[in-house]
Amino acid sequence: SQQGEEDPQALSIQEGENATMNCSYKTSINNLQWYRQNSGRGLVHLILIRSNEREKHSGRLRVTLDTSKKSSSLLITASRAADTASYFCATARSYNTDKLIFGTGTRLQVFP
Amino acid sequence: DADVTQTPRNRITKTGKRIMLECSQTKGHDRMYWYRQDPGLGLRLIYYSFDVKDINKGEISDGYSVSRQAQAKFSLSLESAIPNQTALYFCATSDRGQISGANVLTFGAGSRLTVL
Repeated sequence: SQQGEEDPQALSIQEGENATMNCSYKTSINNLQWYRQNSGRGLVHLILIRSNEREKHSGRLRVTLDTSKKSSSLLITASRAADTASYFCATARSYNTDKLIFGTGTRLQVFP
Repeated sequence: DADVTQTPRNRITKTGKRIMLECSQTKGHDRMYWYRQDPGLGLRLIYYSFDVKDINKGEISDGYSVSRQAQAKFSLSLESAIPNQTALYFCATSDRGQISGANVLTFGAGSRLTVL
């Protein structure tokens, strides 16, 4: 019963361009998190946005959250080849839940 | 050294064999988790543990068992492996929001299991 669905499934861009990934979910949440996974490696936490926040920034990352539409977007500005990875959203129904629900991921390829 | 270490990193086995995947952490976190990743399906929770006496089933626990030997060690066992258990398995830990105010996970590098 996956809650997060991401689109696009795959995205290819040139270095320097911006990359936008979207995540939709089905039920109310306390927070939404984005993780990055380099090929065949573990996931790394990137950024968290709480349900009472609309936008958050961290370096070249910008996350937005629209709870009325149950959706979030992750924007990576001025992308680099090193940003090539899969990106997953994960939702939490409470701040301390053990059951994060992960989406299916967006595979980003950044060409030099 | 990695905060969350998984062994083995790769394993090929045959149907019916018993397999154990091990996880150890130096984060000092109470919470430990086992996830399974399949192409196109994202990550699914198998089991999670609060401490050595507390084990909880996740979304897909059938065919798996776990043991929390110590705060820092959490192992996943497949008693009789079958081909559809071929997947990438991840161990993760968290402080359950005690510091960050939200349950943020720290993952190991993964254990790729192939069951023939």
